[in-house]
Amino acid sequence: DAGITQSPRHKVTETGTPVTLRCHQTENHRYMYWYRQDPGHGLRLIHYSYGVKDTDKGEVSDGYSVSRSKTEDFLLTLESATSSQTSVYFCAISGGELNTEAFFGQGTRLTVV
Amino acid sequence: AQKITQTQPGMFVQEKEAVTLDCTYDTSDPSYGLFWYKQPSSGEMIFLIYQGSYDQQNATEGRYSLNFQKARKSANLVISASQLGDSAMYFCAMREGPGGATNKLIFGTGTLLAVQP
Repeated sequence: DAGITQSPRHKVTETGTPVTLRCHQTENHRYMYWYRQDPGHGLRLIHYSYGVKDTDKGEVSDGYSVSRSKTEDFLLTLESATSSQTSVYFCAISGGELNTEAFFGQGTRLTVV
Repeated sequence: AQKITQTQPGMFVQEKEAVTLDCTYDTSDPSYGLFWYKQPSSGEMIFLIYQGSYDQQNATEGRYSLNFQKARKSANLVISASQLGDSAMYFCAMREGPGGATNKLIFGTGTLLAVQP
């Protein structure tokens, strides 16, 4: 199994509070991604990173920020959580010599009440 | 701009039969990769198969094969000899690059496959 872990796996938080999700990899892959998954929408890209301190927005980036200060960690922050951000969040990594695979973390179920 | 389309929200197949899941894509980048993933009801995302835009042959991995038609911009997944355990959501994805700076990876909305005994 690819070395990618997400933490926490489950979280319940209150509206208006900040939340940070962590994605940690041991594969030394260059590219990392954050997605949210909601019924009927598939996986939508929030932010992605193509190197340390190199990040860009995806299609649903409003209300989210990211940071990547080292290769192995990619953090997703909800500055002020809202109920519309209740979702399952997935992290993915890709890279390597051939760059023909992209692996996912286990997912984080976030509930904003 | 990148775009991935899966037009089949749901499909049924009889056990032991073959099934084709459709995927079309759009990109202006000549270098790109196409991926298929399986998501069972337990929720994890399982990588199935990859096809590069410059690959001369269709990719195969066990019972999975990718019917890659570059001119039509389609990358359909074929599952042969369906098994009950194949019942899951299937996602098609595309990444521009490798070689591009960003390697942005985007997904279609998925197809829910139900294998019937």
